[in-house]
Amino acid sequence: DIQMTQSPSSLSASVGDRVTITCRASQAISRNLNWYQQKPGKVPDLLISGASSLQSGVPSRFSGSGSGTDFTLTISSLQPEDFATYYCQQSFSTLYTFGQGTKLEIK
Amino acid sequence: QVQLQESGPRLVKPSETLSLSCTVSGDSIKNYYWSWIRQPPGKGLEWIGYIFYTGSTTYSPSLRSRVAISLDMSKNQFSLKLSSVTAADTAVYYCAREVPLVEFGVAFDLWGQGTKVTVSS
Repeated sequence: DIQMTQSPSSLSASVGDRVTITCRASQAISRNLNWYQQKPGKVPDLLISGASSLQSGVPSRFSGSGSGTDFTLTISSLQPEDFATYYCQQSFSTLYTFGQGTKLEIK
Repeated sequence: QVQLQESGPRLVKPSETLSLSCTVSGDSIKNYYWSWIRQPPGKGLEWIGYIFYTGSTTYSPSLRSRVAISLDMSKNQFSLKLSSVTAADTAVYYCAREVPLVEFGVAFDLWGQGTKVTVSS
């Protein structure tokens, strides 16, 4: 399996902060990397596909970058509705795997 | 508007088989790959496996010996069976649609609401 490791596992930040979450793959996965946002009690929501393509309706303060083994999700200016858990997921292998998640909390 | 809806027993006894179905409305099940994903309480997402309308399946290696995913074209539905369950299989189970990307693989763009299944005697 391809292992996906996110860091940090949790993060406290304030409204207006710039935040970066990292996802590392155990082997090169090109740009086959997606990001999801999950709010408590809700269904995961696809934010970014192909490492950097924002889904329709996702605010432009979200951005993704990276290729190979190292990827980042950046929120340029945190808004109250952004406090959630974020997951990366690879589809380079058809044995899909998720990162363990990064919980973004209000400071 | 395409929607996915899981259904099935919410309580399963240890050693028995968990069975869930996902009904797809608003689109044909032929058009995409369909996955099952689960999330234990307070934990992260775990992909279980997928199926295509041809019946072709792929399963997570960690669950392969206990999992079967099938589909019923007449009902526009696909199903999950997980055998010999234990408390560790307690989770919210989601069905999800895989959308192929122009480049760089696939993504889960549509999810069911999820159904919580508890394994307990």
